[in-house]
Amino acid sequence: AQRVTQPEKLLSVFKGAPVELKCNYSYSGSPELFWYVQYSRQRLQLLLRHISRESIKGFTADLNKGETSFHLKKPFAQEEDSAMYYCALKWPGGNKLTFGTGTQLKVEL
Amino acid sequence: NAGVTQTPKFRVLKTGQSMTLLCAQDMNHEYMYWYRQDPGMGLRLIHYSVGEGTTAKGEVPDGYNVSRLKKQNFLLGLESAAPSQTSVYFCASSPHSGGLADTQYFGPGTRLTVL
Repeated sequence: AQRVTQPEKLLSVFKGAPVELKCNYSYSGSPELFWYVQYSRQRLQLLLRHISRESIKGFTADLNKGETSFHLKKPFAQEEDSAMYYCALKWPGGNKLTFGTGTQLKVEL
Repeated sequence: NAGVTQTPKFRVLKTGQSMTLLCAQDMNHEYMYWYRQDPGMGLRLIHYSVGEGTTAKGEVPDGYNVSRLKKQNFLLGLESAAPSQTSVYFCASSPHSGGLADTQYFGPGTRLTVL
């Protein structure tokens, strides 16, 4: 069965410090992975997906099949990055997602 | 363009009562989903629909029923509410599967408390 693990419930960093939100997955096939973000009082929304290999709001995520990881990184955290971040894995043959338990990122001044 | 809307925003039920949560989207999306969000559990898929008139079970379907009579609406029903169904419920929609058209767009959520 596929599974997504986000080991940290809360990650607190200072403004300007690097950020790494961890995501590990278990899946036997070729995975499609996403990061969704929920800012305070806003809806959950897509941040980025691995197949696009894009940088959104300074965040990047690289799929590491050897380590079965899809960690989200940003070199310099900003206060507006404070939010709940969810890693998600797409089910095979469809559009359903399995979400991790989420990591609350708090950027302190 | 309102996107995905959910009705109601909040609701308190007594054990055994029934209710229906309404999700509506105005983006002409084929796929719709219902999730529940619980502390420490993330989002879990309850039911989903790949088109008008079709529904399917997700990870945690027990105690819920759904209907998709119109493409733009996806209803989630609780026939006999239980305290274990206290949660925040999110609806989402996506254009279809595959490529870059699988982005899910979420509603604002419904906070349900069952006493």
